[in-house]
Amino acid sequence: DTGVSQNPRHKITKRGQNVTFRCDPISEHNRLYWYRQTLGQGPEFLTYFQNEAQLEKSRLLSDRFSAERPKGSFSTLEIQRTEQGDSAMYLCASRMSGGLGTGELFFGEGSRLTVL
Amino acid sequence: ELKVEQNPLFLSMQEGKNYTIYCNYSTTSDRLYWYRQDPGKSLESLFVLLSNGAVKQEGRLMASLDTKARLSTLHITAAVHDLSATYFCAVDSGTYKYIFGTGTRLKVLA
Repeated sequence: DTGVSQNPRHKITKRGQNVTFRCDPISEHNRLYWYRQTLGQGPEFLTYFQNEAQLEKSRLLSDRFSAERPKGSFSTLEIQRTEQGDSAMYLCASRMSGGLGTGELFFGEGSRLTVL
Repeated sequence: ELKVEQNPLFLSMQEGKNYTIYCNYSTTSDRLYWYRQDPGKSLESLFVLLSNGAVKQEGRLMASLDTKARLSTLHITAAVHDLSATYFCAVDSGTYKYIFGTGTRLKVLA
């Protein structure tokens, strides 16, 4: 296993279009996180899953954003009716379940979204 | 709500010098993580600090945690150019949600 994988790595879209990002976590990790990072800022928490259950969502996640993790494996983050303010790097991370490991998050390379 | 602050936000230092980056957080937590991010890249884990008094060292970097003061430090010894990057601390909020600091952009000058 080579780590957390995200695709596409870059996405350029026009305002109003829908986009979807995919994240494949490390195989034995049952917790999966989505973060958003804009230039010069730290990662902002969006949501996280334990297996297929979405346990917490940030208030940053408007109704235009939806995340899923069917069958507790890969996850998708969809943004509907994109706005220029959605332009950011979308980071996915995974970790082992609560009682195992150190709680360290392992990040993917990110998906950079540019909304024109 | 948990808030995590780092200072300084920007740090420009000469090679060979020592410096410390500070990470303060607002609510009780005994798990703190340090990450490095190079421009245009993702985050790389540096240190995992899991208890009060924990100290970890790797090369020229040393991290410590004081949970009573809600403070972690990342100390740089004899800086080299390769350490130029942005450094983030992250705190486990207790509900498995990790809150990241504002980041410290470090530039080491030759």
